[in-house]
Amino acid sequence: DTEVTQTPKHLVMGMTNKKSLKCEQHMGHRAMYWYKQKAKKPPELMFVYSYEKLSINESVPSRFSPECPNSSLLNLHLHALQPEDSALYLCASSPGTAEREGYNEQFFGPGTRLTVL
Amino acid sequence: AQSVTQLDSQVPVFEEAPVELRCNYSSSVSVYLFWYVQYPNQGLQLLLKYLSGSTLVESINGFEAEFNKSQTSFHLRKPSVHISDTAEYFCAVSGAGFQKLVFGTGTRLLVSP
Repeated sequence: DTEVTQTPKHLVMGMTNKKSLKCEQHMGHRAMYWYKQKAKKPPELMFVYSYEKLSINESVPSRFSPECPNSSLLNLHLHALQPEDSALYLCASSPGTAEREGYNEQFFGPGTRLTVL
Repeated sequence: AQSVTQLDSQVPVFEEAPVELRCNYSSSVSVYLFWYVQYPNQGLQLLLKYLSGSTLVESINGFEAEFNKSQTSFHLRKPSVHISDTAEYFCAVSGAGFQKLVFGTGTRLLVSP
């Protein structure tokens, strides 16, 4: 299995809803990432998990809450989002960490298209 | 810190014409360079990468890129494009030992008949 999967593909939610995005990989990768991508822009890094521990949080608002239950799974819990949070949310994984491997080749999932009403 | 510049936001070309998408980077440490392609409503796919060794790297679908350290560039080329190459192309850099990928702003390649 050489892919990163994400569910759901599309999500529409109200500002008072609570929802979760899921990401899974079975490549034995030890680092996983959440990105947010607005239209016609590059991905913006949100969170990095290395060996199931949160290693980077790019000052993301607390209405986004990541969780890494195990080395294959990464969730992003959403609560009280704003319309400006509407975007494509991408998950990625990499074999290891740059500190150990020297480089950081990331494999991306297809994304979840989120619309906040 | 690293940064990536993709000067061309959009490159229109005709089918079967050659194309070059430009990427320049800056970094204070050794770098690893990547080109990703994003088709409409999809995630990013790794097109090719430079980690070390030969400065010319090739993809399976005819793209190539050359790492030029003196010019701090990693331009992407294809001798003959297809309609199906229409997509957004992102250049990215990772500094040795840094976990983050730094992306350029992207270049939209538009191939028309």
